Amino acid sequence: QKEVEQNSGPLSVPEGAIASLNCTYSDRGSQSFFWYRQYSGKSPELIMFIYSNGDKEDGRFTAQLNKASQYVSLLIRDSQPSDSATYLCAVKPPGSARQLTFGSGTQLTVLP
Amino acid sequence: DGGITQSPKYLFRKEGQNVTLSCEQNLNHDAMYWYRQDPGQGLRLIYYSQIVNDFQKGDIAEGYSVSREKKESFPLTVTSAQKNPTAFYLCATTGDSNQPQHFGDGTRLSIL
Repeated sequence: QKEVEQNSGPLSVPEGAIASLNCTYSDRGSQSFFWYRQYSGKSPELIMFIYSNGDKEDGRFTAQLNKASQYVSLLIRDSQPSDSATYLCAVKPPGSARQLTFGSGTQLTVLP
Repeated sequence: DGGITQSPKYLFRKEGQNVTLSCEQNLNHDAMYWYRQDPGQGLRLIYYSQIVNDFQKGDIAEGYSVSREKKESFPLTVTSAQKNPTAFYLCATTGDSNQPQHFGDGTRLSIL
């Protein structure tokens, strides 16, 4: 089992819809969770991070964390064509000061 | 301007050649990381350093080497032992292991 798994995609949604991106992780003790957006040919940029169970909202983005079920999701409301990108989920394993473990990403296309 | 600078943007390697990728930061961050990204894949950790003059192997260190002589700089050498070096190389930094990592713009390495 991969340590961090994302829905394989690609995912297409119409403009104005809600895009839902999911991520599950295997290490129950994981502490910190991050969502990065990566445009084609570019480096990842941080969108959201979440440490506690529940929802965290930032503009059109909401991160949801459920540690009991070991999943974290990203909702994008009122999706725009400019949201079309690959979204990477990253998890900080317990006791690891060294690194993040990344999922392979979900490609999102927002159709005008 | 504060940030992470990677150079060059594109690099070509001949057979049997070692090449060095530069990563410089002026964020005063202690921790620096090197990742490799293959097409359609997530990021895999090559090496990381939490303090000057110290670094640790990541998950795919074979065929790579690093140094950390200054806080600002963490160069990565891709040696001739790395038989499949074609990839997108990303440098990241963080000031605190619990905080998000931020990335440079990346170096795209290809074989001639």
